[in-house]
This record gives sequence, C-alpha cells and structure tokens, in this order.
Amino acid sequence: NAGVTQTPKFRVLKTGQSMTLLCAQDMNHEYMYWYRQDPGMGLRLIHYSVGEGTTAKGEVPDGYNVSRLKKQNFLLGLESAAPSQTSVYFCASRSNREGQGALGRANVLTFGAGSRLTVL
Amino acid sequence: QQQVKQSPQSLIVQKGGISIINCAYENTAFDYFPWYQQFPGKGPALLIAIRPDVSEKKEGRFTISFNKSAKQFSLHIMDSQPGDSATYFCAPYRDNAGNMLTFGGGTRLMVKP
Repeated sequence: NAGVTQTPKFRVLKTGQSMTLLCAQDMNHEYMYWYRQDPGMGLRLIHYSVGEGTTAKGEVPDGYNVSRLKKQNFLLGLESAAPSQTSVYFCASRSNREGQGALGRANVLTFGAGSRLTVL
Repeated sequence: QQQVKQSPQSLIVQKGGISIINCAYENTAFDYFPWYQQFPGKGPALLIAIRPDVSEKKEGRFTISFNKSAKQFSLHIMDSQPGDSATYFCAPYRDNAGNMLTFGGGTRLMVKP
C-alpha cells in the first residue's frame, strides 16, 4: 500500500518553462490537495479537489492549474514557471467517510514525500 | 476564508523541558483539531488530534488542550527530547466536509541536549 506518491521528487526549470507534478493515491480518497511550503511560510493551499472532475482554488492559486480526471490522480501544472514558484510542493489526500466521532479518529490527511522544484 | 494562527514561530527547549505550542482559529464549524509533525525532508504526519467534546487528550508525552470558548487549542510536549525537534502544524477542519483545509504557519521546535 503506497499511500500518496508524488513524481518527480526533484526538478529544475528555467523561467517560462512548463511542467506537471503528478500526485497518485491508492486509498480511494475523495479529497485531494496541493500545498506549497516555503521557508518561514508554512504550508499554503494552492488548489484542492473534492472529487473526480472537480477542482477549486485555495489560498495561492495564481500561476497554477490542476486537473482531477481520475479519482486517484491530482495533477498540478505550471504553464510558465517563475522563480517565485521555487518551493517544495506537497500533495495530500483524505477520505470523505464520516469519522469515528468521539473516538477521535477522523479522516486525517495523508501526505506525499514532496517535490522540490527550482526555477532559475 | 478560514484563518488559523499558530504561535510561537520557533521554540527552543532544553531536554526534559515542556514545549507548548498554541493554535487559534475562527471557524466555529470545525470539529476536528489535529497537530501534524514534520521532520526535515519529509511530509507532515498526524501526531495527535482531539474532538471538541473533550477538553484534553493525552498520548504518551503529547497532550492536546482544547478551549472551545476561546477557540484555541494547544500542544504540550512533556519531557521534550532531541528527537522531538521538528516543525509542528495545527490544521483544524470540518470532518466529512470537502472544503479548504488550511494550516497554521508552523512552529519550529528545537530541543537542545
């Protein structure tokens, strides 16, 4: 059971180039998220999806596009990379099943290992 | 838009001491209050979480204290160890709801031997 897998793990781009980050989960989760993490800025939500074929903007969506054509995959695209998009990108997913109430367990986020992107 | 404010940004504690990290939120619809732990080069992972029907939950050296009226919850790490050195995030949300899930700004904890 792989959980959440991100590819590639590392990538260097030149300004203006395009690329796609792939997130794949094998847990049949409905919800998927893309975050970026910058030093001192914590985790900021870029886009998210509540199901196959649906996407929504997060806190910092500009310069990114996403697609969720298959339930298990959530793609993050950069059409024209900029140095400001140098960051570590994390994908996460969680279920939409009702959590176990007072037992304290809920549909926790499962994260991928991250993709480090450098834009020169 | 949901707002989650975490403090302090960084914390240095001596081995054996108590580490305390706080999280304040605005959305009263949240019903799940987790803390995530992140080691360098890794993705965050759930550390401990609480539901709003209890005021405190303890798991080993880690305790969450929840103050519903103040809309705050905190993480206490007792007998802090160098291996606890990591970045901690709070990320309260509505379980079983597909909406934005935002994190606090993170607290970088360093436990000195």
